[in-house]
Amino acid sequence: EVQLVESGGSLVQPGGSLKLSCVASGFTFSNYWMDWVRQTPGKSLEWIGEINTDGSKTNYAPSIKDRFTISRDNAKSTLYLQMSNVKSDDTAIYYCTNVYYGLLLGWFAYWGQGTLVTVSS
Amino acid sequence: DIQMTQSPASLSASLGETVTIECRASEDIYNGLAWYQQKPGKSPQLLIYNANSLHTGVPSRFSGSGSGTQYSLKINSLQSEDVASYFCQQYYNYPYTFGAGTKLELK
Repeated sequence: EVQLVESGGSLVQPGGSLKLSCVASGFTFSNYWMDWVRQTPGKSLEWIGEINTDGSKTNYAPSIKDRFTISRDNAKSTLYLQMSNVKSDDTAIYYCTNVYYGLLLGWFAYWGQGTLVTVSS
Repeated sequence: DIQMTQSPASLSASLGETVTIECRASEDIYNGLAWYQQKPGKSPQLLIYNANSLHTGVPSRFSGSGSGTQYSLKINSLQSEDVASYFCQQYYNYPYTFGAGTKLELK
């Protein structure tokens, strides 16, 4: 059974930093691109970014580029999201997902339970 | 960015009814479309990919169709466990984008 378990969400002040983790099990982690998606209090979903199988390539949404960094440790089957210079608009539930690819780009096959990040002074 | 417009925003239907949710892309996405179901308090779950392919374990009463810029999700014989929000997502181009969601309730 595929399991993705996020952690690290908390209350953080504007301008602060936070690192989220996602531990994967039930599949060969090193074979899959992994993504982060967030869901705001208004309930809309926003793609944050992704990382390739060996961690050598990342893609980010323009809205968060240069503030967030995605990395992974395949030996630990763990995905990370380093958030810096956070803003109130970053308040959301953060999900990690694994990505299945077809002829085009990918869809989000499995999702974790999410971790809540609240940005407030 | 490709804009995804979902309709309706909310929907009320009776058990056993057939329900259709629409998603329109701002440009041709060549069937690069997925549908997700999110039950209250839970994370989204994949239902459909490639516009019309059913994900593993998803009941056959769910189906997807469409092409170009217009896509739809149909739920046949609505069950109580189908009460949820439904989102479409395009993966034809970066950045991946989602529709605003459709909240489905029982009448």
